[in-house]
Amino acid sequence: EAQVTQNPRYLITVTGKKLTVTCSQNMNHEYMSWYRQDPGLGLRQIYYSMNVEVTDKGDVPEGYKVSRKEKRNFPLILESPSPNQTSLYFCASSSVGVGTEAFFGQGTRLTVV
Amino acid sequence: AQSVTQPDIHITVSEGASLELRCNYSYGATPYLFWYVQSPGQGLQLLLKYFSGDTLVQGIKGFEAEFKRSQSSFNLRKPSVHWSDAAEYFCAVGAGGNKLVFGAGTILRVKS
Repeated sequence: EAQVTQNPRYLITVTGKKLTVTCSQNMNHEYMSWYRQDPGLGLRQIYYSMNVEVTDKGDVPEGYKVSRKEKRNFPLILESPSPNQTSLYFCASSSVGVGTEAFFGQGTRLTVV
Repeated sequence: AQSVTQPDIHITVSEGASLELRCNYSYGATPYLFWYVQSPGQGLQLLLKYFSGDTLVQGIKGFEAEFKRSQSSFNLRKPSVHWSDAAEYFCAVGAGGNKLVFGAGTILRVKS
């Protein structure tokens, strides 16, 4: 089954404690991205990757890092989480090309206290 | 810059009634437009998309949307809503390459 898998689904952490949210896709997609979803703001892109070892900032990259060492994996790293990073995070993947369908993971609800 | 406006934060409709969710976009060139649905606790699922050609596009689950260039709109419609349609709906515009710019979403409640 084609899918994007994120882990964990829920996470509560304390300010400043480094964490990683994993994302893996099994569709051999080149393009992967991370979004955060906040009430009234919709989804905003954090980082994206066009292929292995190629990553770039989205609209709200501050406080986040990513890596793309393998085509299937695209982890999101919060080196020093802060309460304003409390949000619902989604990983997505798609084939490269304008208008291709993006496939989303089920989301990770992160709370930073 | 590209942007998407969904004017309605919440909409409540009765089961069996018709539905229209509004979406307005801002984009300089020919837009690529999408509607996604997010059911509670789930990721986003593509309902339909518009690239070119026929301005009325059909999607899954009985949804359709009409692209109106003169109004910069891409409204989503369904003739008869089912209780299982209760979810949050997002309109998005392709913003170059694979990037999507999303609206704030519309939460649909269905009353029996």
